[in-house]
Amino acid sequence: AQKVTQAQTEISVVEKEDVTLDCVYETRDTTYYLFWYKQPPSGELVFLIRRNSFDEQNEISGRYSWNFQKSTSSFNFTITASQVVDSAVYFCALRVDSNYQLIWGAGTKLIIKP
Amino acid sequence: DADVTQTPRNRITKTGKRIMLECSQTKGHDRMYWYRQDPGLGLRLIYYSFDVKDINKGEISDGYSVSRQAQAKFSLSLESAIPNQTALYFCATSEPRPGTGELFFGEGSRLTVL
Repeated sequence: AQKVTQAQTEISVVEKEDVTLDCVYETRDTTYYLFWYKQPPSGELVFLIRRNSFDEQNEISGRYSWNFQKSTSSFNFTITASQVVDSAVYFCALRVDSNYQLIWGAGTKLIIKP
Repeated sequence: DADVTQTPRNRITKTGKRIMLECSQTKGHDRMYWYRQDPGLGLRLIYYSFDVKDINKGEISDGYSVSRQAQAKFSLSLESAIPNQTALYFCATSEPRPGTGELFFGEGSRLTVL
């Protein structure tokens, strides 16, 4: 069975601090994809990144970076120099090749205080 | 215009009423999904459809039904709404295999059952 765990229910930091959101996944499949989505207070779901299981390169996009480590089954998300606009709920999700469905974590609510 | 459009965006109804949430898409995807989001639970799959003639139950289909009227349209019905169906509902689409499984979401429909 597949599972995604986001152990941090809520994180609160002051603006300009760096913050890391953890995501741990479980699967026995060797081919899979990992995703991060952002849900701002307005409610829509915004795609952030997709990573396949054969590509362990870390990725950086502006202030956002992702650390994929197969050895620990983790796909963590770091925001550098956080801003108030980063306040949102962030979801990590997993899709395995044998089952086309996305398995979602429960989400981490990130609060950035000015 | 949004690629995936949900109507209504907000709806308040009473227990026992029949409710239909509609979803239409212009992405040309065969695969469509209905998800429900409750605080702290992430997204849970209600129903999914891989083409007009293929409809499948998700993990929480009880109390819901769907209709795939065309490739571009996928409706979710609550035959007799109850208060614990109060939630944010999302429609989504995805590419067929061997796509990556990325979901493209509508803006959500917030349903309140009194």
